[in-house]
Amino acid sequence: DAKTTQPTSMDCAEGRAANLPCNHSTISGNEYVYWYRQIHSQGPQYIIHGLKNNETNEMASLIITEDRKSSTLILPHATLRDTAVYYCIVRVVDGAGNMLTFGGGTRLMVKP
Amino acid sequence: DTGVSQNPRHKITKRGQNVTFRCDPISEHNRLYWYRQTLGQGPEFLTYFQNEAQLEKSRLLSDRFSAERPKGSFSTLEIQRTEQGDSAMYLCASSNRGSLETQYFGPGTRLLVL
Repeated sequence: DAKTTQPTSMDCAEGRAANLPCNHSTISGNEYVYWYRQIHSQGPQYIIHGLKNNETNEMASLIITEDRKSSTLILPHATLRDTAVYYCIVRVVDGAGNMLTFGGGTRLMVKP
Repeated sequence: DTGVSQNPRHKITKRGQNVTFRCDPISEHNRLYWYRQTLGQGPEFLTYFQNEAQLEKSRLLSDRFSAERPKGSFSTLEIQRTEQGDSAMYLCASSNRGSLETQYFGPGTRLLVL
């Protein structure tokens, strides 16, 4: 079972920031937070991951709370092409090749 | 483009037929994963390889399913005696053990069993 909880759906106006929350209250010390998104009929696309520090890349920012029990993915200027299902996943990275366990994700609809 | 590729992209078959899908991972990635995704659900893990060794299999992978990665490069997933319940998107991902193992996915093969 997925160890994360996300809202089922969210709307965002084009050009505004999209803030997608994720709860992972049972996260362990050696588990990373990963975010993927899946645009309709395509394979999941890696966005970003983090352990405890906030992270930023060309796609998004990841804010992880100090207790690591929740995180927020931020798309700073959402476009229509950001409409997708966003998955928050916690995963051990210990060299053992651990699979990703997907939950239901958040369906983000970016509206003009 | 040196991403993960999968072939075919779509497959329609009749119940009882065998089908085979191919996945070509990102070159130099030594880990390869198969997932299955049904409509409205997130992907579910099926199996994974490190080089040519199949190290883990999900209970979702029934006896009708077999996966191989003979030379540690591309992989095939075969479904024998297909059933309508096998209709799904079959996704392949690859990762490199030395890079926090971030998995990169291919576009998937969409299977429809009639």
